[in-house]
Amino acid sequence: DSGVTQTPKHLITATGQRVTLRCSPRSGDLSVYWYQQSLDQGLQFLIHYYNGEERAKGNILERFSAQQFPDLHSELNLSSLELGDSALYFCASNGAGEDTEAFFGQGTRLTVV
Amino acid sequence: GENVEQHPSTLSVQEGDSAVIKCTYSDSASNYFPWYKQELGKRPQLIIDIRSNVGEKKDQRIAVTLNKTAKHFSLHITETQPEDSAVYFCAASPAGTASKLTFGTGTRLQVTL
Repeated sequence: DSGVTQTPKHLITATGQRVTLRCSPRSGDLSVYWYQQSLDQGLQFLIHYYNGEERAKGNILERFSAQQFPDLHSELNLSSLELGDSALYFCASNGAGEDTEAFFGQGTRLTVV
Repeated sequence: GENVEQHPSTLSVQEGDSAVIKCTYSDSASNYFPWYKQELGKRPQLIIDIRSNVGEKKDQRIAVTLNKTAKHFSLHITETQPEDSAVYFCAASPAGTASKLTFGTGTRLQVTL
């Protein structure tokens, strides 16, 4: 167990809908990273938050947004869902020393039908 | 942006043999190179990483080498065991952290008895 908790584990939804994925980082970790893993695109970095502020953006679509709350948990919002958004979404976290190992959660498997 | 190529895509070795996976990257600004192991249906786990100021790093049966001039880095696993069977991903980042990681396409390693 990495200490990073993601909910829900599985999510099935229809095209055009909006979903929210939640991540609770390890206790004390200030950074949260979101990644997408799909058969087409492989593993991709989406976005990085540090202590509530956006630090870096990767290949994140405009239909997707994220935030990190004062209690350091993070949410990834996916809207106007398309079939191609079906993927495994991971979050990871690490501490104030951002050059430390990032620990991954178990992921949320999103299926868009 | 960064492009990371990984070879081979599949690798089958006999137990006790060595396995080598190679990656090349394109962005000379990349300075952090982690390797992740992902077992079927599970989260990626960091197995070793190297920074651009180091040429080689070893941790028991696992080693990573980095050639900054040629922009390539390799994972070496010695005395392979069946539990080493998994998909291995290399990655590169210019941020020195798990932020802005660009991943390779993965190598499926099968260790046979």
